[in-house]
Amino acid sequence: QVQLQESGPGLVEPRETLSLTCAVSGYFISSGYYWGWIRQPPGKGLEWVGIIYHRGPTYYNPSLKSRVTMSVDTSKNRFSLKLSSVTGADTAVYYCAREELVGPAGRGRVDYWGQGTLVTVSS
Amino acid sequence: QSVLTQPPSVSGAPGQRVTISCTGSTSNIGAGFDVHWYQQLPGTAPKLLIYDNTNRPSGVPDRFSGSKSGTSASLAITGLQAEDEADYYCQSYDVSLTGSKVFGGGTKLTVL
Repeated sequence: QVQLQESGPGLVEPRETLSLTCAVSGYFISSGYYWGWIRQPPGKGLEWVGIIYHRGPTYYNPSLKSRVTMSVDTSKNRFSLKLSSVTGADTAVYYCAREELVGPAGRGRVDYWGQGTLVTVSS
Repeated sequence: QSVLTQPPSVSGAPGQRVTISCTGSTSNIGAGFDVHWYQQLPGTAPKLLIYDNTNRPSGVPDRFSGSKSGTSASLAITGLQAEDEADYYCQSYDVSLTGSKVFGGGTKLTVL
């Protein structure tokens, strides 16, 4: 059974960098699939942040691209998200997820989700 | 404003049939990209409900079905049950700008 678990600070100050990690169990990241992040502001809908393939290619939401960095650590079977220069608009539940490996990147279905972690941007 | 448009809410009585629409454009659904549907129960992560327009993952009851035509897609739920009360999201891919996964704004299903 594939399981994903997010971890990271629940509170980030404005203009700082949000950093989250997703630990994967039950499947080796290096075996395939895209791995990524989807966020959901409180009371609102879902927004795709981006995905990464274990060999390195990354694909980001164009609206966030200038502030997003994703990376993979296959030795620890986990991947990470960094979002810089955050504002209150970045307050959301952040889900890590496994996404179907089809092209173009981002087209595929999300078949496994983490439980989500709330990140609040506030001073 | 979401790229894919869903009604904010729908409702139905137990046992009834409801449908949720997902309207896109020629840069996403109408360009031939598949539509996937997710169910989000209160306080939980979304769960894949329908993939590639019409397919159900293992474990999803056949009361749930999907369809796609032109620039739109629909999710139908028959034999409505109280446990179906949730938010439902459609998802596709949009080729405008540099391309991105896109979601509908979500539909809240209330079982009366």
